[in-house]
Amino acid sequence: GAGVSQSPRYKVAKRGQDVALRCDPISGHVSLFWYQQALGQGPEFLTYFQNEAQLDKSGLPSDRFFAERPEGSVSTLKIQRTQQEDSAVYLCASSLEGDKQYFGPGTRLTVT
Amino acid sequence: DAKTTQPTSMDCAEGRAANLPCNHSTISGNEYVYWYRQIHSQGPQYIIHGLKNNETNEMASLIITEDRKSSTLILPHATLRDTAVYYCIVRGALYNNNDMRFGAGTRLTVKP
Repeated sequence: GAGVSQSPRYKVAKRGQDVALRCDPISGHVSLFWYQQALGQGPEFLTYFQNEAQLDKSGLPSDRFFAERPEGSVSTLKIQRTQQEDSAVYLCASSLEGDKQYFGPGTRLTVT
Repeated sequence: DAKTTQPTSMDCAEGRAANLPCNHSTISGNEYVYWYRQIHSQGPQYIIHGLKNNETNEMASLIITEDRKSSTLILPHATLRDTAVYYCIVRGALYNNNDMRFGAGTRLTVKP
């Protein structure tokens, strides 16, 4: 069956550009999570949705980061005015009931 | 604060059992132990979870000590494809909970 998909898989942005990263969760999964993974580190929690409601955005590193899930399925993570420190892999995960999370392959963002 | 402590790296011979330890001495009564792994360039993959009883599934076994302060993930017959970073995570409520904090994990290398 279809798993979590993310696009694009790779993104190169010049510093100062805005980027939008897309996540297609497993159909019917209520919960959706975004993580940021720096090189050599474990994933770090960014934000969490239950259906269309963003219940926790405590992990977003600055107000340049914004996530939405307007219809409770596809989600977009937007980063405005990208900085070099934003370079990382951005992972999306979905879950039916919030217990097991199923991860996508990630989007590798490189800011030059 | 990290809730778990894992060795940075481990080696295992192909075909032998891989035993990955995790210390979680501050675990509270309602917290579960989860294990995920991340193969290079992929998103994390759920392996197993437990509360206090030992658990087994098609991928691995989870042994939790009686005092619940530590656990061991066992891959009974490691293959080269099991080479990955293994994350031990302690989290609260089983469902609808976004409190999943990855640490640095254990890098397991399975050698021929």
